[in-house]
Amino acid sequence: AQSVTQLDSQVPVFEEAPVELRCNYSSSVSVYLFWYVQYPNQGLQLLLKYLSGSTLVKGINGFEAEFNKSQTSFHLRKPSVHISDTAEYFCAVAHSGGYNKLIFGAGTRLAVHP
Amino acid sequence: DAMVIQNPRYQVTQFGKPVTLSCSQTLNHNVMYWYQQKSSQAPKLLFHYYDKDFNNEADTPDNFQSRRPNTSFCFLDIRSPGLGDAAMYLCATSRGGGGVTEAFFGQGTRLTVV
Repeated sequence: AQSVTQLDSQVPVFEEAPVELRCNYSSSVSVYLFWYVQYPNQGLQLLLKYLSGSTLVKGINGFEAEFNKSQTSFHLRKPSVHISDTAEYFCAVAHSGGYNKLIFGAGTRLAVHP
Repeated sequence: DAMVIQNPRYQVTQFGKPVTLSCSQTLNHNVMYWYQQKSSQAPKLLFHYYDKDFNNEADTPDNFQSRRPNTSFCFLDIRSPGLGDAAMYLCATSRGGGGVTEAFFGQGTRLTVV
């Protein structure tokens, strides 16, 4: 069985500062990894995904993430955040034998302050 | 634009009164999912359809049912809503077969039980 741990429930940061949202996963099989963003009262929007290939993945809105198999991590980073990045961020895993049955982490609330 | 549409965005129902939430998609994806997301929690998969095949998660209560009359539409039926069923319900779709790609989410329906 897979599981996802997001190590920080809340991350406060000032505008234009860098940010890292941490995600660790547990799985006995190969997995695919995703980061989704959720704005208040909205659905989930895909930021980026790791399926195979390069371990550094670039996504929308200037976000990127690095897949580290030895540390079973998939941390999300942005070099300079904006007020509009304030949202809930979910890390998710799907095992490679299936399609998109996603197992989500508990989420990290990113709060960007002026 | 191709998308996943959920109706209504907000639904208020009485305790014990059956309610149906709907989801439609123009992506022609063969897999459709329903997730339940309670306040400040991660989305939790209730069930999914792979084509016409229904797949229930082991811990989904019997109170929750689903119908998929055709490729484009999927319904979530809650037979006797309780106060604990108040949540955001998210519909998602993906292309099945050939491995994991990505899931596309609707905007969600926020269900209030009074």
